[in-house]
Amino acid sequence: DQQVKQNSPSLSVQEGRISILNCDYTNSMFDYFLWYKKYPAEGPTFLISISSIKDKNEDGRFTVFLNKSAKHLSLHIVPSQPGDSAVYFCAASETQGGSEKLVFGKGTKLTVNP
Amino acid sequence: SQTIHQWPATLVQPVGSPLSLECTVEGTSNPNLYWYRQAAGRGLQLLFYSVGIGQISSEVPQNLSASRPQDRQFILSSKKLLLSDSGFYLCAWSVLRSGGNTGELFFGEGSRLTVL
Repeated sequence: DQQVKQNSPSLSVQEGRISILNCDYTNSMFDYFLWYKKYPAEGPTFLISISSIKDKNEDGRFTVFLNKSAKHLSLHIVPSQPGDSAVYFCAASETQGGSEKLVFGKGTKLTVNP
Repeated sequence: SQTIHQWPATLVQPVGSPLSLECTVEGTSNPNLYWYRQAAGRGLQLLFYSVGIGQISSEVPQNLSASRPQDRQFILSSKKLLLSDSGFYLCAWSVLRSGGNTGELFFGEGSRLTVL
C-alpha cells in the first residue's frame, strides 16, 4: 500500500517553461513534506520542504504547494533549466516514537529540453 | 560540517554469497540512521532505521539485516544474497526535527549491488 504516490513517471518540459511535479498521499498523520532531487548513481539531495500547517513555500525558482484537504502537493520549477533534469522524489514525514521516517514516492523523471 | 560515507560504491556478488555494506557519519552525534533501497520502478524503499546504538527497526521482511555497533556506524548485511537483492542502496542520516531544523535526510553516495 503506497502512502505517497507520484503518478507520473516522467515529464518533459521546454527550457524556460514551468515544470509541475505532482504528489498525492494517503496518511493524514504526515506532518511534513519534502522534495528531493536525484541524479543517476548519486544519493538524493534535499530540495525544498513544507510543513503541514502551511500551504506554500518558495525558494528561488522552486515553490511547493500543499493542499491538505486533497492530500496533494506539487513542486513548481520556474523557469525550468536543462540542469534541472533529474528524478524528483516526493517524501512525507511522520514522527513516531522519537524517530522520523520519510516515506518516498516512486519518483518522476524530469527532462528539460534546451 | 557533517559528512556521510558508504562503501563499497559498486559490488557484484553471486547468489548465496554474503553481503556487508558499511556507512559512517562524521560531524554529528546521535543521528538517526537509515538504509534505503532504490529498485527499478519502486522508488526509495525504507529498509531499516536506527535511533541509537543497537536499536534497529525493520520496515519490510527480507533477506537483509542491519546493525549499529557504534553511534555513527551503520552496517547492512546478508548471509545469503538473492537475485532480488540487486539494487542501489543508500545510507542516510538525520536529526529530529526541532526549531529551524527541517528533519531532512542526508544521503550517502550509494552502493550499487548486482547479484548474479
